Amino acid sequence: AQSVSQHNHHVILSEAASLELGCNYSYGGTVNLFWYVQYPGQHLQLLLKYFSGDPLVKGIKGFEAEFIKSKFSFNLRKPSVQWSDTAEYFCAVIPGTYKYIFGTGTRLKVLA
Amino acid sequence: DAGITQSPRHKVTETGTPVTLRCHQTENHRYMYWYRQDPGHGLRLIHYSYGVKDTDKGEVSDGYSVSRSKTEDFLLTLESATSSQTSVYFCAISGAGTSGRGSYNEQFFGPGTRLTVL
Repeated sequence: AQSVSQHNHHVILSEAASLELGCNYSYGGTVNLFWYVQYPGQHLQLLLKYFSGDPLVKGIKGFEAEFIKSKFSFNLRKPSVQWSDTAEYFCAVIPGTYKYIFGTGTRLKVLA
Repeated sequence: DAGITQSPRHKVTETGTPVTLRCHQTENHRYMYWYRQDPGHGLRLIHYSYGVKDTDKGEVSDGYSVSRSKTEDFLLTLESATSSQTSVYFCAISGAGTSGRGSYNEQFFGPGTRLTVL
């Protein structure tokens, strides 16, 4: 079955630390890839997306992600996190159709 | 903001009662989705719609039904609520809207409905 794995369920970082959140998917065909962020008490907001082209994608708020096809991965990165980045982050994949498959999410807590 | 509202935003109900949640959009997007969000499970698709009167099941559809009689409204009904249906429910849309924003493979989410079944 198609699935999305987010390996880190909880991450705690200090401000200015670098962030990398892992996302792997299981689907051999063409995929569309997304990272969403959910701030406490809010709905999901799109951080960035990959459809095709340059595998290094830049999104809002200084986030970027790299699509590595051979590793079925789409990891999210940020060089220096801020307290305001405290949120839950979801990776999502569209494996061939318009329906999303979501990962289980990673809760990030940034200490001031 | 893709013009998506959900109602009610919070609801507490008792086991066995019927509950209907409403998702309303103002930009004529073709696709609409209902998800539930639970700790440790992320978001799971309940039902989706690809047009008026065209709906299909997602991965956790048991105990839920949907209807879409108008482009702008997508209703989720719990015929007889159970405690296992306590969750946060999110509606999402995709497809190009009247504003020209969006595509079929990019979803925008509503604010969510927190449902508690006692």
